[in-house]
Amino acid sequence: RKEVEQDPGPFNVPEGATVAFNCTYSNSASQSFFWYRQDCRKEPKLLMSVYSSGNEDGRFTAQLNRASQYISLLIRDSKLSDSATYLCVVNEGRAGTASKLTFGTGTRLQVTL
Amino acid sequence: GAVVSQHPSRVICKSGTSVKIECRSLDFQATTMFWYRQFPKQSLMLMATSNEGSKATYEQGVEKDKFLINHASLTLSTLTVTSAHPEDSSFYICSALQQGSSYNSPLHFGNGTRLTVT
Repeated sequence: RKEVEQDPGPFNVPEGATVAFNCTYSNSASQSFFWYRQDCRKEPKLLMSVYSSGNEDGRFTAQLNRASQYISLLIRDSKLSDSATYLCVVNEGRAGTASKLTFGTGTRLQVTL
Repeated sequence: GAVVSQHPSRVICKSGTSVKIECRSLDFQATTMFWYRQFPKQSLMLMATSNEGSKATYEQGVEKDKFLINHASLTLSTLTVTSAHPEDSSFYICSALQQGSSYNSPLHFGNGTRLTVT
């Protein structure tokens, strides 16, 4: 089983749609979680951290379910500019140890007119 | 803030030559930098963790004699791909952890280096 698993997609959605991505992770000791966005042939850029209580940033909402080892990202009112690959990232580090980020392979989103 | 610059952004070299990639933290000091590699349609894979003033820690399967890492200052880490071969062609990305950051702070990435070995 992969350490961080995502549906590779692609998800093709019309502009204005709501789309959700899921991610599961295998290490129950993982401490922190992030969603990154990666455009084609570019470096990943932090989209948002994911907190246990769930958090929202504009059109983006992230949720964490530790019991099920599951993370989600919801994008509302999709824009053309949201087209990218969304990477689920899990940090297995803990206080006193180094960060150890594990990346999912990413979910490709294509927003169309 | 937290800008990480990587150079060069693109390099094409002949098989057997060595290539040096620089990663700089521009507006902060980084005690730890990470080097990743990404092959097409695959996830980022951590190659090594670079700590300022000490030897890098390499992930399993990454040859330390082939991928030389130097982290001589708090703002610069370099990765040298020695005797490059076509299978080393990949997207190499660095990231840096700001000095004093919590272990679970998000990382900021350099713009990446696309290496093509012919």
